[in-house]
Amino acid sequence: AQKITQTQPGMFVQEKEAVTLDCTYDTSDQSYGLFWYKQPSSGEMIFLIYQGSYDEQNATEGRYSLNFQKARKSANLVISASQLGDSAMYFCAMREGGTSYGKLTFGQGTILTVHP
Amino acid sequence: DTGVSQDPRHKITKRGQNVTFRCDPISEHNRLYWYRQTLGQGPEFLTYFQNEAQLEKSRLLSDRFSAERPKGSFSTLEIQRTEQGDSAMYLCASSSPGIQGGNIQYFGAGTRLSVL
Repeated sequence: AQKITQTQPGMFVQEKEAVTLDCTYDTSDQSYGLFWYKQPSSGEMIFLIYQGSYDEQNATEGRYSLNFQKARKSANLVISASQLGDSAMYFCAMREGGTSYGKLTFGQGTILTVHP
Repeated sequence: DTGVSQDPRHKITKRGQNVTFRCDPISEHNRLYWYRQTLGQGPEFLTYFQNEAQLEKSRLLSDRFSAERPKGSFSTLEIQRTEQGDSAMYLCASSSPGIQGGNIQYFGAGTRLSVL
């Protein structure tokens, strides 16, 4: 079974509108971390936002927020006020286990295109 | 503060040749990770170092692959007798405990390998 599932291969959004990128995960661990990264065409993976499994509040970083629904095992990324520079591939990732140093498991990614 | 640096950015080689990639992590980071990303997929974990110790290796890391981090600073990833299936983007990431919740992994721009 896939540990991270991103069901949207591609998403389109109008500039200045909000968009939600879906991510569901599968783990039997109680302690885990969820991450979102952005990968522009240049290739570099850019960290956006982190949510710990024990965090009670949804994480926010500027225009990015993570809609964490633990019971549903979902960790959707919400980008508000989309900008043309947001056009990129977006990856959801998970680190399992109680240690903080573990490997990340990534989903297949969602390509976001922002239209002017 | 400079980010994670990878060299070279691109490498074209003939099947059967050996190649070596270098990764320089963020200076105060003691943890270093290698991932491989093929076209249209998310990155897949290869191996992880804490200081100079290689603590985990994926089964993706065949005998033809070797990674080192001799002084706990930069790391090298060598692929011997390259095969066409080794063509991919090789990403390096580094992290450090306690600097930021979640032990965020920061990635370099990657080395794109093409095996002809």
